[in-house]
Order: sequence, then structure tokens, then C-alpha cells
Amino acid sequence: NAGVTQTPKFQVLKTGQSMTLQCAQDMNHNSMYWYRQDPGMGLRLIYYSASEGTTDKGEVPNGYNVSRLNKREFSLRLESAAPSQTSVYFCASSEETGVNQPQHFGDGTRLSIL
Amino acid sequence: AQSVTQLGSHVSVSEGALVLLRCNYSSSVPPYLFWYVQYPNQGLQLLLKYTSAATLVKGINGFEAEFKKSETSFHLTKPSAHMSDAAEYFCAVRGNDYKLSFGAGTTVTVRA
Repeated sequence: NAGVTQTPKFQVLKTGQSMTLQCAQDMNHNSMYWYRQDPGMGLRLIYYSASEGTTDKGEVPNGYNVSRLNKREFSLRLESAAPSQTSVYFCASSEETGVNQPQHFGDGTRLSIL
Repeated sequence: AQSVTQLGSHVSVSEGALVLLRCNYSSSVPPYLFWYVQYPNQGLQLLLKYTSAATLVKGINGFEAEFKKSETSFHLTKPSAHMSDAAEYFCAVRGNDYKLSFGAGTTVTVRA
């Protein structure tokens, strides 16, 4: 079982460059999420997609865009990378946006912006 | 809105000793609470979840957590620590919407 797969695992960018982080899940989940993880701050929600064709902002959406390409795939784009976006990015999915449904996480993308 | 506070960013225990990780929540509606574990260079894995069916929740790897409404707490325990328990642990709360609010995390170190 692959679960949630994120690519790439590591990336170094220069300030101003653009990049798309890819995420795919094979669990037939309706809902998908993008988080960033920074030391001492836990995980913060960037964007989420409740179902195919819909996306909504989370807690820290500025500087990011997302695309729910189909039910399986949810990508995160940095149009003009900034050093403040250096972080570990996690994609997650869940069956529904129901309050008691756990989220399943990928292994993360470690992104450094120079 | 809901939020979580994890008391203690680092906990060090001896192998075989009790593990206790503290989590207090704030929520304007009945909360749904989760504990996740993160091993180095990996994503988060669900340890257990509270969904109001029972106040004592048993999870994987011998962990359990007790929901105490009067104390707005959801502390995680394991009676006997194992070296493999060394990881970072996150408490999370969800209200009536889709959003999970995570605590800052507690790193557990297990001494031989």
C-alpha cells in the first residue's frame, strides 16, 4: 500500500524560482490537505480540498496556490519562492471532511529556499 | 475556534518507565481529539482518536489517552517505554469543521 505519495522528497530553490509539489493518494479519499511544518509550531494548514473540483484556504495560504487535478492528485505551487517558505511540506488525505475521520500523511517534502 | 497546548517540548524517560505526554485543548464545541506520532524523516501516523464513545482510548503500540472534560485534557500515556518510542508526538483537535489544529509537538527521548 503506497498510501499518500509526495514528490520530490528534497528540493533546494533560489529566491524567486517557482516549483510545484506533487501529491497523490491511492485510498480513494475525497479530501486532501497541504500542511507546512516548522520547528516549534506543529503543522499549519495551507490549503485543503474537500472534494474533487473544490479548494479552500487554510491558516497560511499566502504565497501558495493549489490544484486538485483529479480525485487522486493535489498539487501545491510556489510561484515565487521566498526564504520564509523554507519548511517541510506534508500532504494528507481523509475519507471525508467529517470531524472524526483521521488524516493519512505522506512522508513530506523538505524544501530549502536560498 | 479550537486550539491545543502541549506541555513540554521535550520529554526524556528511561526504558521501561512511564511515558506521560500532556495535552490541553480549547474548543467551543465538543472536541474530536487525536494523537499522532512522527518518526524521523517520516510523515505523521495516527496513534489514537477520541470521538466521544469512551473517555479512555486505546491506540497502537501500547499507548492510551484519557479524555477529561473538566480539565480540558487529553494526556497520552504508555506504562513502559521502549527504545522504539523515541519520536515526536503531536496532539490535535478538531471542532465542527474539517480543520485539524495541531500542538507544537513533544519530542520523546528514551534512555537505555
